[in-house]
Amino acid sequence: DAGVTQSPTHLIKTRGQQVTLRCSPKSGHDTVSWYQQALGQGPQFIFQYYEEEERQRGNFPDRFSGHQYPNYSSELNVNALLLGDSALYLCASSRDRGQLYNEQFFGPGTRLTVL
Amino acid sequence: QQQVKQSPQSLIVQKGGISIINCAYENTAFDYFPWYQQFPGKGPALLIAIRPDVSEKKEGRFTISFNKSAKQFSLHIMDSQPGDSATYFCAASLRNFNKFYFGSGTKLNVKP
Repeated sequence: DAGVTQSPTHLIKTRGQQVTLRCSPKSGHDTVSWYQQALGQGPQFIFQYYEEEERQRGNFPDRFSGHQYPNYSSELNVNALLLGDSALYLCASSRDRGQLYNEQFFGPGTRLTVL
Repeated sequence: QQQVKQSPQSLIVQKGGISIINCAYENTAFDYFPWYQQFPGKGPALLIAIRPDVSEKKEGRFTISFNKSAKQFSLHIMDSQPGDSATYFCAASLRNFNKFYFGSGTKLNVKP
């Protein structure tokens, strides 16, 4: 099992550009969550996708959008990049079994640098 | 507003010693409290988690102590090893939401 995979590993963009980050969940998982981790900080929840719909959203502007495909893989899109968007973007997957808590498995992240 | 506050920011412990990391939360509706371990270049990995209906949970060298009235919980690492050197995050989640609020992290360095 490859676990959660993310691509690319690193990315450099300039202000105002747009970026797309990709995530493949762990085998058997159907739910994908995205987090932003600034340097020296804990991850902050961006949003969660389940059944191709955004199920929950954190306190992030509309510049952050996402998508989930029928194979459960997901994309995070960020428009009009700002310097403050520089961070490690983490994808976490889980399997929705209708239980109260479903363990999340994190990928290694994509390091985004905005110049 | 930071939902989960974590301390200390960094910690140095001698091999064989006890590492203690503390977290405090504000929202009394939180009812799942996991701890994650993160090595450089890796994503966080679940270490141990607790529900507020118990005051302590132990798994190997790792123990969570939970104080519901004080809205605090802590991670104790017994017999700390150099391989435990990593950044540790506490987190909290609301029932059924699967949305985690993370602390700011503690960088642990275990000296040989």
